[in-house]
Amino acid sequence: SQELEQSPQSLIVQEGKNLTINCTSSKTLYGLYWYKQKYGEGLIFLMMLQKGGEEKSHEKITAKLDEKKQQSSLHITASQPSHAGIYLCGAVLGGYNFNKFYFGSGTKLNVKP
Amino acid sequence: DTEVTQTPKHLVMGMTNKKSLKCEQHMGHRAMYWYKQKAKKPPELMFVYSYEKLSINESVPSRFSPECPNSSLLNLHLHALQPEDSALYLCASSQDRPTNEKLFFGSGTQLSVL
Repeated sequence: SQELEQSPQSLIVQEGKNLTINCTSSKTLYGLYWYKQKYGEGLIFLMMLQKGGEEKSHEKITAKLDEKKQQSSLHITASQPSHAGIYLCGAVLGGYNFNKFYFGSGTKLNVKP
Repeated sequence: DTEVTQTPKHLVMGMTNKKSLKCEQHMGHRAMYWYKQKAKKPPELMFVYSYEKLSINESVPSRFSPECPNSSLLNLHLHALQPEDSALYLCASSQDRPTNEKLFFGSGTQLSVL
């Protein structure tokens, strides 16, 4: 969806480095989700953020939601080759149909050993 | 059982063929989704069924015909497809509204139209 923009589009980092991926919405967010995808495969759920200011962590991945800015960030600490893949943010946009779940443009991450 | 199962995993079809993609979940979810994903692009929403009724059709061409025979099954019937319809087709389900519950995704059907 063009209403959900991610940056950067692609990222190459050295193993052990930290990185941040951003997701910005042009519409009101009703929850923000992060998924990871390996090429040609299904989507793996990472985290769901529902409230402004909410922050969640799982292993070395932390996601935050800034509801006022309609923005979320995904931060990976001490990246590993296993973190490589495509990261997608997703959300319900707009308020009249709560099943309209859209994805952002995606961020392709490569981690060099 | 927290899985969404899609069959077949791979499908090759000619432009005159009729085929169907199948999706099944046994989590008691009441919303089911079809997404289309072209290479190097994010998934694009096609259809949503909510409580077995079609609630969203994102202006998808009629050569794609969804069907929800019951709350656990979702089909996508394909007829007279074009080569540009080649893509990964992903099925998903959610408890109800994804504002409170995540979408569970299947591993997809990789479709090639010759």
